[in-house]
Amino acid sequence: KQEVTQIPAALSVPEGENLVLNCSFTDSAIYNLQWFRQDPGKGLTSLLLIQSSQREQTSGRLNASLDKSSGRSTLYIAASQPGDSATYLCAVMTGGYNKLIFGAGTRLAVHP
Amino acid sequence: EPEVTQTPSHQVTQMGQEVILRCVPISNHLYFYWYRQILGQKVEFLVSFYNNEISEKSEIFDDQFSVERPDGSNFTLKIRSTKLEDSAMYFCASSLAGGPASEQYFGPGTRLTVT
Repeated sequence: KQEVTQIPAALSVPEGENLVLNCSFTDSAIYNLQWFRQDPGKGLTSLLLIQSSQREQTSGRLNASLDKSSGRSTLYIAASQPGDSATYLCAVMTGGYNKLIFGAGTRLAVHP
Repeated sequence: EPEVTQTPSHQVTQMGQEVILRCVPISNHLYFYWYRQILGQKVEFLVSFYNNEISEKSEIFDDQFSVERPDGSNFTLKIRSTKLEDSAMYFCASSLAGGPASEQYFGPGTRLTVT
């Protein structure tokens, strides 16, 4: 059974720092991995999708990498800002073709 | 930018009552999903729907749950007889296609409270 783990569970950093969020999954047979942002009480905003054949994706200050064989992905956020404060979720598409399995998230706080 | 919308934003119901949660997926999308998130827990997959039928469902999605696309725009989740443990945030999502390149877009959620 696929399990997705995110480390750390919470992170507090000063504005301007570069930071790395980690995601690991137990079964490397995935179709893709998606990173989402969730603001308190809100829905999920898709940030990046990496297909299983890809190694990384970039969008603005965000860069996500995928190492399928080792079951790991990282989300790199450059020059963090207070507006980046949110919970970041990773999810893998596995087993069924359209089912996402989520991690518990990393709660990020960026303070001025 | 097109987005997934959900109504109502908050629904309070008594145990044993039926509820229908409504979603309007992005207009040209073909695949539709429901997920839920119990407070403080992970987001969990419930069901995926394509071509007017369920393509996959989780163990959570038992006979008390059903989904329907009653017209060309709406996608609904019905819970026939709600239980206290059904209290959660329910998210609808849609994607243009299925498969590895399919990015799922989520709605803002409906918070269901069962008393």
